[in-house]
Amino acid sequence: QVQLQQSGAELVKPGSSVKISCKASGYTFTSYDMHWIKQQPGNGLEWIGWIYPGNGNTKYNQKFNGKATLTADKSSSTAYMQLSSLTSEDSAVYFCARWGVYYIDYWGQGVMVTVSS
Amino acid sequence: EIVLTQSPTTMAASPGEKVTITCRASSSVSYMHWFQQKSGTSPKPWIYDTSKLASGVPDRFSGSGSGTSYSLTISSMEAEDAATYYCLQRSSYPPTFGGGTKLELK
Repeated sequence: QVQLQQSGAELVKPGSSVKISCKASGYTFTSYDMHWIKQQPGNGLEWIGWIYPGNGNTKYNQKFNGKATLTADKSSSTAYMQLSSLTSEDSAVYFCARWGVYYIDYWGQGVMVTVSS
Repeated sequence: EIVLTQSPTTMAASPGEKVTITCRASSSVSYMHWFQQKSGTSPKPWIYDTSKLASGVPDRFSGSGSGTSYSLTISSMEAEDAATYYCLQRSSYPPTFGGGTKLELK
């Protein structure tokens, strides 16, 4: 069965960077886009970008250019998102999600990132 | 970017009541997708390509719409349907979500 297992919660200092992971299993990792989505406490969902692990192509929401960097390791079927120059506005839950044939069909459990000194 | 506006933002329905949630797009989109999210959990795919139910979704749910106006309807509210529902468009870059509709049980 398809599973997206994300890394654990992070407490990080303002100005620093953090890299979170999303390990995929149960399907061919290189055949589907992996999307990343932000959810701030009590707020809605915001699309960050996607990566196609088959060739590493990425596409970002312009709002997150320079903030988020998406990568993928085919050997371990793991997608990564690095967030840089963190501020309190980056405190949120971050989801990875697979775009299947027609729609987002699987989500990771989410990673809570807290930016605090 | 296309802005999706959901209405209402919050509502309460009694068991057996019909529920309709609307998602309006600032420009025309080809399809709308819907997700259900319960507190502390990941969103679940609910309706895709405007009107197709995701796996496991009860058939009391339906989706419809075109252009700039889409809706999710529950024919008869049940307790387990209490959740927040989000619409999503991917017709235009970047993909955007609606602000969500919180549906509570009355």
